[in-house]
Amino acid sequence: EIVLTQSPGTLSLSPGERATLSCRASQSVSSSYLVWYQQKYGQAPRLLIYGASIRATGIPDRFSGSGSGTDFTLTISRLEPEDFAVYYCQQYGSSPRYTFGQGTKLEIK
Amino acid sequence: EVELVESGGGLVQPGGSLRLSCAASGFTFSIYALNWVRQAPGKGLEWISYISVGSSAIYYADSVKGRFTISRDNARNALYLQMNNLRAEDTGVYYCARDVADCSSGTCYEIRFDSWGQGTRVTVSS
Repeated sequence: EIVLTQSPGTLSLSPGERATLSCRASQSVSSSYLVWYQQKYGQAPRLLIYGASIRATGIPDRFSGSGSGTDFTLTISRLEPEDFAVYYCQQYGSSPRYTFGQGTKLEIK
Repeated sequence: EVELVESGGGLVQPGGSLRLSCAASGFTFSIYALNWVRQAPGKGLEWISYISVGSSAIYYADSVKGRFTISRDNARNALYLQMNNLRAEDTGVYYCARDVADCSSGTCYEIRFDSWGQGTRVTVSS
C-alpha cells in the first residue's frame, strides 16, 4: 500500500504570500495519478490539480502542481483570502484503489 | 450542471444498518464510474468504495470490506451504499464522487474525482 505523507501539517501565511505544500509517497507514483483537492470548512472537497500538474476547469492560474516519483508539490503563487483551506493529495493505485494524504491546513497568519 | 446529492444518513446504533443514496443529475450517469469517500469528524478523507460503469468492477477499502456494499441503478441515475454491522468508527460524513479519467487503448490516465456531493452525515452511537 502506498502511503502519502503531506507536510507541513499546518501552514500559516498571509494573503499575498506564496504557499508551498508537499506530498511525499512511500513508493513511486505515476504523475498521471497524483491529484490535489481543496476543502473549505463545512464543504465538499473540490478538484484542483490532476495528473500532478493539470489545473481543473475554473481553477485560477495561481495554483500549480509539480513533481514526480515520490515527491509532489502544490504551489499557490499569491494567496487570496479564499485560498485558506485544507488541501489533500490523492493517488490512484492497485490496493487500495485510492489513497489520500492526511491533509495540510493552510491558515491565515 | 453536474449535481450529486447524497441522502440516507442518520443516527444508528452499533451493529445496525443504513443505506445511503446518491442522486445524480446534469450528466450521463451511465458512462461514469463512481466512488464513496468518507470523512470522520475533524479528520481527513478516506476512500471507501468504487463501482465501474456497468458494475463489473467493484472495490472496497479494507476498513469496510465485508460490511458495506456499493451498487448503482443506471436507469434511476442513482448510486447506493448499503452499510451493515456499523461501528463507531464508521461515524462521519459520506460523499459520493464522480470518477473521471482519460482512457485509450485500455489504459486510463489522469484519474480524478471531478464532482462531489455535499455529503450525508452518519453517526453510529448507542
